[in-house]
Amino acid sequence: GQQLNQSPQSMFIQEGEDVSMNCTSSSIFNTWLWYKQDPGEGPVLLIALYKAGELTSNGRLTAQFGITRKDSFLNISASIPSDVGIYFCAGPRGGSEKLVFGKGTKLTVNP
Amino acid sequence: GAVVSQHPSRVICKSGTSVKIECRSLDFQATTMFWYRQFPKQSLMLMATSNEGSKATYEQGVEKDKFLINHASLTLSTLTVTSAHPEDSSFYICSASQDSGYTFGSGTRLTVV
Repeated sequence: GQQLNQSPQSMFIQEGEDVSMNCTSSSIFNTWLWYKQDPGEGPVLLIALYKAGELTSNGRLTAQFGITRKDSFLNISASIPSDVGIYFCAGPRGGSEKLVFGKGTKLTVNP
Repeated sequence: GAVVSQHPSRVICKSGTSVKIECRSLDFQATTMFWYRQFPKQSLMLMATSNEGSKATYEQGVEKDKFLINHASLTLSTLTVTSAHPEDSSFYICSASQDSGYTFGSGTRLTVV
């Protein structure tokens, strides 16, 4: 079935640094979603991408939908301590409403 | 924005008992809701799709008799973990889909002792 390969698995950065993480798949996705999950909470949507090549920003976050529709990246600029958490990419599986998730990128920001 | 309320946030139960988790869409109607399970340090795995007024559809490997899903109204889906065992201990999360996307509940931490 469709799988999302997310990297890196974890990142340790200093406050103020920029961060980049990405997701790839062997299958085409028509929508890419980026979520953040804090400990003990459900995922919260950060950015949704609906068109190949689309570049979308949400504050310090920027995400792009790859031209091939098989990849996406998320950038966080000027990281701050509250950016700590696990970031997941996700996309609807095979034209259905069912979401498949990447394995997540755990971000640690040192003050 | 769309809000999905999940209750309880934490529950501890004895082995062999059943636990019910509720998922409500507060300001929109959700004909479809989804139930996920998340083990520590792992990703979300879809368990089942809850359809209002009809039977839930379960992912491969998920026991439908163990994880009972009821979606009796357009704003409420429930997941009942029957005859819970310690290996059922996990973080359960629901979500609802609507035109603007998917909204997730805040999750339920189930501990079976």
